[in-house]
Amino acid sequence: SYDLTQPPSVSVSPGQTASITCSGEKLADKYACWYQQKPGQSPVLVIYEDNKRPSGIPERFSGSNSGNTATLTISGTQAMDEADYYCQAWDSGTVFGGGTKLTVL
Amino acid sequence: EVQLVESGGGLVKPGGSLRLSCAASGFSFSSHSMNWVRQAPGKGLEWVSSISSGSSYIYYADSLKGRFTISRDNAKNSLYLQIESLRAEDTAVYFCAREVGSGGYYPDYWGQGTLVTVSS
Repeated sequence: SYDLTQPPSVSVSPGQTASITCSGEKLADKYACWYQQKPGQSPVLVIYEDNKRPSGIPERFSGSNSGNTATLTISGTQAMDEADYYCQAWDSGTVFGGGTKLTVL
Repeated sequence: EVQLVESGGGLVKPGGSLRLSCAASGFSFSSHSMNWVRQAPGKGLEWVSSISSGSSYIYYADSLKGRFTISRDNAKNSLYLQIESLRAEDTAVYFCAREVGSGGYYPDYWGQGTLVTVSS
């Protein structure tokens, strides 16, 4: 089965850039997506097909995918960005990473 | 506006069964594959199953094959998940999600989830 690995936690100061990685074998051969989930809420798609932003997602969210690693970058991080983030890829079914808790402090 | 509303969750005894439903509106349900994803308390997202638009292709997570059955009724704009022989580790919020994409598939819209609690 295909696995995606994320760091359990990332911390960032307000206004700084946060980077969250997602690692999987030859991940660049697949499309990666990213979801934001706040406590008690459903996941929200923030990046799809490696680097595209859905309508309504702020420009400070961006994504890249190269080699074995996809990266979600949040520029000028705001307090409201504090959440869990999950990467996703498709391999005969959806695969999620274990999630990364982003703390803004 | 895309809306997905899950129902059917609740408290179930170990060994019991449950049928979850997801009512879809605001998009052409019959044109989209659909997914079930679950999240145990305090844990991450776990994909459960997906079904293609015409039910021709069905996939299950390897770890869950055998006790879960996904189905859909395009005439009723509804998605279902039947779960048999429930175990404590099946306790989770179950989300339904619309699938999109070409080349790579991913859920874009999610429902609010329905909580399944397995306990005696």
